[in-house]
Amino acid sequence: DGGITQSPKYLFRKEGQNVTLSCEQNLNHDAMYWYRQDPGQGLRLIYYSQIVNDFQKGDIAEGYSVSREKKESFPLTVTSAQKNPTAFYLCASSIDFRDRYNEQFFGPGTRLTVL
Amino acid sequence: QKEVEQNSGPLSVPEGAIASLNCTYSDRGSQSFFWYRQYSGKSPELIMFIYSNGDKEDGRFTAQLNKASQYVSLLIRDSQPSDSATYLCAVGKSNYQLIWGAGTKLIIKP
Repeated sequence: DGGITQSPKYLFRKEGQNVTLSCEQNLNHDAMYWYRQDPGQGLRLIYYSQIVNDFQKGDIAEGYSVSREKKESFPLTVTSAQKNPTAFYLCASSIDFRDRYNEQFFGPGTRLTVL
Repeated sequence: QKEVEQNSGPLSVPEGAIASLNCTYSDRGSQSFFWYRQYSGKSPELIMFIYSNGDKEDGRFTAQLNKASQYVSLLIRDSQPSDSATYLCAVGKSNYQLIWGAGTKLIIKP
């Protein structure tokens, strides 16, 4: 089955720790995205990647970092510099970022809680 | 003003009735418009997309786009309890990014 997987489903972090959220896709999509969702708010873009070894900051990149070493994988690290990291994190992919008509498909999400 | 605005609801609709969800956007250069459904605790799933002015029908769902008035709507006919969810409107801007509304919570009452 083609799709997007995210792990872990739930993650608990102590203040001051860095954590890495995994995102893998086997859809052969070029573009991948990380969003953050807080209660009552729309999705906010953290980072996106159009191709391997390339990524750009979204609207709320501070305190986060990413890498794109393989087409299938786009991990997100939440660093200790992120002041309020408790949120639902969603990874998405699309065929091609510059195709303005392409749809984004989502993984199941990771719920991060800071203790 | 938010770039994409939706009434947060909740919108309560009797089972079998038509549910009407609305979304307005600010970027006149926007080219693509998406409706996603999100159940509580789950990720969004795409249910409709529309690119041209007018109506687009898919089963019980109809998306309506009016670029001159900068709004897009979603109609759900014969509403079922399983349609109870939050519906997210996403707009593809001229810079290719999707901008998301905060969503409308829909409740279908049996």
